[in-house]
Amino acid sequence: FMLTQPHSVSESPGKTVTISCTRSSGNIASQYVHWYQQRPGSAPTTVISANNQRPSGVPDRFSASIDSSSNSASLTISGLRTDDEADYYCQSYDTNDYWVFGGGTKLTVL
Amino acid sequence: QITLKESGPTLVKPTQTLTLTCTFSGFSFASSRVGVAWIRQPPGKALEWLALFYWDGDTRYSPSLKSRLTITMGTTKNQVVLTMTNMDPVDTATYFCAHQPGYTFGQHFGFDPWGQGTLVTVSS
Repeated sequence: FMLTQPHSVSESPGKTVTISCTRSSGNIASQYVHWYQQRPGSAPTTVISANNQRPSGVPDRFSASIDSSSNSASLTISGLRTDDEADYYCQSYDTNDYWVFGGGTKLTVL
Repeated sequence: QITLKESGPTLVKPTQTLTLTCTFSGFSFASSRVGVAWIRQPPGKALEWLALFYWDGDTRYSPSLKSRLTITMGTTKNQVVLTMTNMDPVDTATYFCAHQPGYTFGQHFGFDPWGQGTLVTVSS
């Protein structure tokens, strides 16, 4: 299966943005969806694990959900800050024993 | 605290075999039902999962690269080694290793944390 994300999104500081991740086949709810933030020149870090769990140290401005009706997951960032500007990737697992990443979304905070 | 670090050549020639080592600390396969994954990222492009080594020696591979990949435990028990044969310029990428916390009730956790990555260039 594939995970499809918008190539880019942009929003102003203080606003809220949502990034979608649509699963091409199979049930989005069948396996956890994870979200990573990657700043330029750095390794990815987890902002959401297991559909909607924020790791320690990730601010509660980050939240996520699953929507079975659209077979998609969404990452929402509220109170946007300039340092939220980064690439965001969704990821999930296929029960045929492989992991899939979405194509990544470049978030611009302007 | 879990840390991982990738090591290996920065430059390989086309057709050569790449060998990368991930050295980790803060966990062990003997005491944790976890895995170590390899992921790569070509310059300016998306992340691509390559392979995973589980605590019990079980392995998983990307279907599209399976014929070229081998993942094994290293010479010490805190190392996982990835080999990729028949390297091509399109394999130029930053290669990351990452800790995978296993699964629960059939649901698989993601990769956390990641190593810093190592850039491998394939060129003659």
